[in-house]
Amino acid sequence: NAGVTQTPKFRVLKTGQSMTLLCAQDMNHEYMYWYRQDPGMGLRLIHYSVGEGTTAKGEVPDGYNVSRLKKQNFLLGLESAAPSQTSVYFCASSYSKSGTVIYEQYFGPGTRLTVT
Amino acid sequence: QQQVKQSPQSLIVQKGGISIINCAYENTAFDYFPWYQQFPGKGPALLIAIRPDVSEKKEGRFTISFNKSAKQFSLHIMDSQPGDSATYFCAASMRGAGGTSYGKLTFGQGTILTVHP
Repeated sequence: NAGVTQTPKFRVLKTGQSMTLLCAQDMNHEYMYWYRQDPGMGLRLIHYSVGEGTTAKGEVPDGYNVSRLKKQNFLLGLESAAPSQTSVYFCASSYSKSGTVIYEQYFGPGTRLTVT
Repeated sequence: QQQVKQSPQSLIVQKGGISIINCAYENTAFDYFPWYQQFPGKGPALLIAIRPDVSEKKEGRFTISFNKSAKQFSLHIMDSQPGDSATYFCAASMRGAGGTSYGKLTFGQGTILTVHP
């Protein structure tokens, strides 16, 4: 049981380049989330998904797109990277029982992205 | 808008001492208050969590104190150990799956804890 995995672990991009971050979970969780972590700002939600084929915006969605074509995968795309997107990106997943309460979020190890 | 404010930003404690981290929230609809622990190069991991219907929850050396009227909650680490050195985040969410919150977490800014031997 690998839990939540993220690829790549590190990446350096030039301004204007594009890339996709992949998140995969093997826990059959319905809910998946993308956060970014910046010093002194905690983690902020970028986008999230409540099920296969559905996505929604979080607190800081500008400059990012997401897709969830399969239940176990959640992709985060940067179409035209900017230095302000230099950050550590974390994916998380969660689940509910009986559709009433959503339980704890399990986080991946993160992707450190630098945009020059 | 920062809905969860955390303090201090950093904390240095001697081995065996008590570490205290405080958080304040604004949204009274929050009904779940977890604390996450993060070691360098790792993702956050759930440490302990509390619901607003209780004022305190203890798990080993870790205790959450919750003050609903003041909209504040805190993490106490008793007998702090060098292995507790990490970044700690408080968070808040509305957990009901039937609503529109979908378990989204609002995090505090984080506290870097250093425990000296």
